[in-house]
Amino acid sequence: EPEVTQTPSHQVTQMGQEVILRCVPISNHLYFYWYRQILGQKVEFLVSFYNNEISEKSEIFDDQFSVERPDGSNFTLKIRSTKLEDSAMYFCASSGQQRLFFGEGSRLTVL
Amino acid sequence: GEDVEQSLFLSVREGDSSVINCTYTDSSSTYLYWYKQEPGAGLQLLTYIFSNMDMKQDQRLTVLLNKKDKHLSLRIADTQTGDSAIYFCAESPGANNLFFGTGTRLTVIP
Repeated sequence: EPEVTQTPSHQVTQMGQEVILRCVPISNHLYFYWYRQILGQKVEFLVSFYNNEISEKSEIFDDQFSVERPDGSNFTLKIRSTKLEDSAMYFCASSGQQRLFFGEGSRLTVL
Repeated sequence: GEDVEQSLFLSVREGDSSVINCTYTDSSSTYLYWYKQEPGAGLQLLTYIFSNMDMKQDQRLTVLLNKKDKHLSLRIADTQTGDSAIYFCAESPGANNLFFGTGTRLTVIP
């Protein structure tokens, strides 16, 4: 089955630093997503992206966050000036035919 | 807004059936999903059901949907130790995103 791949699998950063999480969606998918799961909590929607622009975003996705599709394959989530509470697992997903395919996640630890 | 509720824990003996329940609020959801998350891993889509269906069976998995009560359940027959994981219910009110429940941690006792 096709896969969504994410890098890095784990990143440790100092508070205040910028982080970029990378995702390679499934090649023929058109919708891309980022979700977040703080340890022990539910998976929360951050943002969806279609046709090179944000189609929907949640209240969590404030000015600290941005997404980009810099080339034909990668989809990135940038977190500026990280805070302790940004520590979480970040999942990328892409969709085709109503099914969302999730990556394995990138664990971000902010110290 | 959308709200998806699940009980947090379920323990069953190996070989028994597990039933994981979920309630949701958005009656416009067209698809409802069950995802499995093993420790430290990503979200694996187990099965999904279209909102005009009452039941869907896929090998050991049976999904029941009561649209009137906005209640979704996942039954796992002959539960095995490898089924121990967190199971998330999710609803999709539109094409663009999913809203997840809190997850139910299933523990299978040998």
